[in-house]
This record gives sequence, C-alpha cells and structure tokens, in this order.
Amino acid sequence: DTAVSQTPKYLVTQMGNDKSIKCEQNLGHDTMYWYKQDSKKFLKIMFSYNNKELIINETVPNRFSPKSPDKAHLNLHINSLELGDSAVYFCASSSRLAPDTQYFGPGTRLTVL
Amino acid sequence: KQEVTQIPAALSVPEGENLVLNCSFTDSAIYNLQWFRQDPGKGLTSLLLIQSSQREQTSGRLNASLDKSSGRSTLYIAASQPGDSATYLCAVREGDDKIIFGKGTRLHILP
Repeated sequence: DTAVSQTPKYLVTQMGNDKSIKCEQNLGHDTMYWYKQDSKKFLKIMFSYNNKELIINETVPNRFSPKSPDKAHLNLHINSLELGDSAVYFCASSSRLAPDTQYFGPGTRLTVL
Repeated sequence: KQEVTQIPAALSVPEGENLVLNCSFTDSAIYNLQWFRQDPGKGLTSLLLIQSSQREQTSGRLNASLDKSSGRSTLYIAASQPGDSATYLCAVREGDDKIIFGKGTRLHILP
C-alpha cells in the first residue's frame, strides 16, 4: 500500500564511507525527487528526475549521485561521507499531469560519526 | 534570492481554538504556494495548494490564503484537535520549478 518508500529508515555510519539510500514509488509517477532536511529543519531540493533524466541539481556536491534504474526508483548514492551530510533525506514523486502534488516518503535519517 | 519565513516557530493552543499560521516570502514572482504537514518520523503531506492567480483554498477545517503582492500566506485551522499537532511547512514554487520551503511551525494542540 505504501506509495513512496525509502530504505533504510535510519543509517548511522562513519566519515569517509560510501552509502546508498533507496527510494521506490508505486504510483506510476514519472518524476522523482530527493530533498535534504538539515538540523535547522530547512528542507531543500537536491535532485529531480523526469523519465530517467536529471532536470534539477541544486548545487549539491558531486559526492551525491542519484541513480534511477527505472521510473519507479531513484536511489541516492553518497561517497566519502562528511559530518555535514547528517540530515534527514526525503524522497518524493509526482505525476507530470499534477507536478505540484508531490508524495513524500517517510524519510531516512542519516547520521555520520 | 527567495526566502520563506514562518512565524512563530512553535505554537501551543488549547483544543477547540481557531488558530492562524503565518508564512511570508520575499519574492512575489511565485508560481504557487503549498502548505504541508509533517509528522515526526514521517514524510510530508500536502494540505493545500494555491496557484498564484488564486486568493484562497479550503479543505475541511483548513483555509489557506495568499496575498502575492505582500508576500504573505496564512493557514487557518478551525476548531483545532489534538490530531492537528504536527509541523506545518509552507513552500513556494518559482517559475524554474524550484521549490523553497520555510522552516515550519511546530504546532501542539493541548487536550
């Protein structure tokens, strides 16, 4: 039943490691997003993928790379993790017919030690 | 550069009261404005979407208004209930598809 799911829900790792967060949507949407919510609660868009093409990249460090194996998945890979990467990462999706109605996943809380 | 501000950062009100949450934005050239609800450990849920040409939207006990020229929006919640306790986020969408969020107002309804 879950529309947008993310795994894992919590991720604790050491600095310098490489990690991935997975996102899947079963809504048939063609656009997916990654957002970062930092400790100050600011929510900022990182990436947007439309039909497997990157259409937004909000000056995110190139250590972050979205990978979309198909329309239903948009995974976030993070290389050489830094302390400042600690945040909650949200995945979302929308239909091109209603791009403003985004459905959000539950979030992944990443803690870098 | 667009900035979205929400005041207050936190609000506690007794159950049954009507309340207003405020959102302001610095650049009036927006495409639309949305109000979201965020529950602890969960994602965001869209509550109301107001297009730039609209003045307000209503859904049940919620009413959102938009005054684009003054850069303000309000979310009115009538007859508040404990289940309304959550963080409410305001977000504006600009013409280049950027969505900019405020920091949210953490609302606590006292039973």
